[in-house]
Formats: sequence, C-alpha cells, structure tokens
Amino acid sequence: QVQLQESGPGLVKPSQTLSLTCTVSGASISSGGYYWTWIRQQPGKALEWIGYIYYSGDTYYNPSLRSRVTISVDMSKNQFSLNLSSVTAADTAVYYCSRSPRGQGYFDYWGQGTLVTVSS
Amino acid sequence: DIQMTQSPSSLSASVGDRVTITCRTSQSISIYLNWYQQTPGKAPKLLIYAASSLQSGVPSRFSGSGSGTEFTLTISSLQPEDFGTYYCQQSYNTPYTFGQGTKLDIK
Repeated sequence: QVQLQESGPGLVKPSQTLSLTCTVSGASISSGGYYWTWIRQQPGKALEWIGYIYYSGDTYYNPSLRSRVTISVDMSKNQFSLNLSSVTAADTAVYYCSRSPRGQGYFDYWGQGTLVTVSS
Repeated sequence: DIQMTQSPSSLSASVGDRVTITCRTSQSISIYLNWYQQTPGKAPKLLIYAASSLQSGVPSRFSGSGSGTEFTLTISSLQPEDFGTYYCQQSYNTPYTFGQGTKLDIK
C-alpha cells in the first residue's frame, strides 16, 4: 500500500523559507512512472497545484509560484521536498504531497496534509 | 489558467437520494476531468478520473460523465459515508486547477 507522509515546521516567519519533506513508502520514487506532487489548500480556498518532480529531476511548477518554489528529490531516502521562499501570511495553508501517474494528471495517493502557518 | 466552476456550492440530501454535481470549465478539456471527495480533516480521495473511469476501490454508486466543458458526478444512492466536499480538477494542461468545491450534507 502506497503511503505518503509530510513533515516539517508548522510555523514559519514571514519572509523566511517554508520547507517540507514527503516520505514515500510502498513505492519507489526511482522506479519512475509517477510525478511526485505538492498541492496546498489555503483556508476557505480551492486546492492549488504547486508543482511536481519526476525521478529524473525534471520539475514543473505553477507559474503563479514559480519564482519562489523549488521541489527536489532524494532517492536514497525515498523522499521529495518543497521549498517556498519569501513566505507571507497568504502562504498559510494545509500542504499535501501526492502522487500522479505520469501523463495522467490526476492524484491517486495523498499524504494526510500538514498545516503551515506563516506568522511572526 | 483553466477556470473551474462547480454547482451547486452546497446541497443537502437524504440517504438513498440520487445526487448530481456539475463542473464547468472555461475552455474545452476533452475528458481530462477528475473528481475527488474530501471529508473534514482528511486528504482528498480520488473517485473518478478521465471523466468517467472509476478509481479502484470506489463504490459503483459513483459515476462520472461529460466531455468538453461540462461534466457531472452522480451518486446513484446516497450513503451516510458520502458526506463531505467534492472537487473537480482538470488535467488537460498545467497548471492543473480545481473547482471551489461542493459541500454535501446528509439530511
């Protein structure tokens, strides 16, 4: 059974960098065939696709966040990570990691989500 | 970006009712439309992909239809565990976008 688990600080100060890690079990990132994805849900708003990474290191980001986002992968730990720089209160959200079959664009497995609050 | 519009934004229905939720897109997306259910405090769960394909393990009372710019999710006989918020999502192109959600309450 594929499982994803987000981890990272629940509180980040404005202007700092938000860093989250997703640990994958039951599947190997290095096997290919899937895009490893970050999605967020700001309070009262729709889900927002942030971007994803392939095992090769190829990345695709939402243009609205591209200047501040970096997604990376650590295949030795079967993890992928999100860095979002220069955060503001508007980046307060529940952040989900998920898996997307390559070429399909839907998300078949999700982590439980982690709330990140941006506040001083 | 492709805009997604769901209707209604909320509804209340009784166990056994047939429920339909509509999703409209700002441009044609063929059948690249997916549906998710989210219950409070949980991650979204994939129900339907490619407009009408049922995800493995999802009960057959859920079905999807449509193409182009108009899509529907139907629950043929509502069960108590079907409460939650339903989202559509387009996978036609990036950035992938989601609808605002339809909140379904069980009467």
